[in-house]
Amino acid sequence: GAGVSQSPRYKVAKRGQDVALRCDPISGHVSLFWYQQALGQGPEFLTYFQNEAQLDKSGLPSDRFFAERPEGSVSTLKIQRTQQEDSAVYLCASSFDATNEKLFFGSGTQLSVL
Amino acid sequence: AQSVTQPDIHITVSEGASLELRCNYSYGATPYLFWYVQSPGQGLQLLLKYFSGDTLVQGIKGFEAEFKRSQSSFNLRKPSVHWSDAAEYFCAVDNSGYALNFGKGTSLLVTP
Repeated sequence: GAGVSQSPRYKVAKRGQDVALRCDPISGHVSLFWYQQALGQGPEFLTYFQNEAQLDKSGLPSDRFFAERPEGSVSTLKIQRTQQEDSAVYLCASSFDATNEKLFFGSGTQLSVL
Repeated sequence: AQSVTQPDIHITVSEGASLELRCNYSYGATPYLFWYVQSPGQGLQLLLKYFSGDTLVQGIKGFEAEFKRSQSSFNLRKPSVHWSDAAEYFCAVDNSGYALNFGKGTSLLVTP
């Protein structure tokens, strides 16, 4: 596609509900990143994929967060048993190669947990 | 971990005036530094980056930034601001070879 696509654009979840956020990176991009952006803050790194391999998941806040990219293209970030503190914008970014020299970001999914 | 600080939360400038957004980094060696812009409802867009070499870096949309090791700074500048430049600006540092560590951002308001 023309850019990084994320869906849904907005998600409202009740506390305790499971959610799944989707990211379609630019076709052919090797690297994929997930970031979490709380209100009034800068994005914070969650996890990094190179093709289908998850090379770093050190930024995931808890074991309720899980990310996958099974075929090296589309990625899904899953949050189990959502909590209010999970409310944030979740940004996906992709890169043509294995570097971060130029990241292309999606518009994000705004998650509100009530 | 390497980090950046953006001291100004909000900046207001008049259209046509010059702009400087501050960014300070904490790292002993030469860091890899970036400036990104985020317009409302949009993803972040790379304005420019510094890895090495010439300390004055040119970017898109008429922006430039200067790396100053003595001041641990990487300030973003633009000689004449347009109303369309109103957005959130983020400075970032490469923390691991792939993960970026972003500052908290500076919100730019442009007045007529």
